[in-house]
Amino acid sequence: SYELTQPPSVSVSPGQTATLTCSGDNLGERYASWYQQKPGQSPMVVIYQDNKRPSGIPERFSGSNSGNTATLTITGTQAIDEADYYCQAWESSTGVFGGGTKLTVV
Amino acid sequence: EVQLEESGGGLIQPGGSLRLSCAASGFTVSTNYMTWVRQAPGKGLEWVSVIYDGGIADYADSVKGRFTISRDNFSNSLYLQMNSLRVEDTAVYYCARVASSGWWFDHWGQGTLVTVSS
Repeated sequence: SYELTQPPSVSVSPGQTATLTCSGDNLGERYASWYQQKPGQSPMVVIYQDNKRPSGIPERFSGSNSGNTATLTITGTQAIDEADYYCQAWESSTGVFGGGTKLTVV
Repeated sequence: EVQLEESGGGLIQPGGSLRLSCAASGFTVSTNYMTWVRQAPGKGLEWVSVIYDGGIADYADSVKGRFTISRDNFSNSLYLQMNSLRVEDTAVYYCARVASSGWWFDHWGQGTLVTVSS
């Protein structure tokens, strides 16, 4: 079965750039999306179709996807960005999530 | 405004059955792809099932043959019938809409907790 791999945790200082990665076989050949989840809340999309931002998502969130790796970049990270982030893709009509990355802003 | 509200969760013994509901408003369930995603306590997101606008469905291997996704046009609701429940099915179950512009989840419900325990 298809798997997406994310680092369990990433730490970043306020104002710095956070880079979250998601790896999977030939991931660049399919669309990746990214979801943010804060404690006690439902997930929320921050990036879809590799690099598109939904309405209301700050410009500091950006995405890319090439080869075997999709990347979520948060430029000028703020304390409110501290959350779990999940990448997601589809493989033969089956949805797949990465294991998630806990982003800590310290 | 698009809204999704799950219900039907609770405590159930292993081997039992439960049906989850997801009431939708602000859009028509039957003309959208809809999905269920679950999250075990303290764990990550796990995709469970999807139903397409034509009624065809797909399932994660972990639930195939035990869970059935369906919808009701009259009530504008999505359902997940869960049979032969296992302890490892314990999770918060979210329904979500698959965006019409592509394969991503643009709206989520608040989730309903299913606990499978003796």
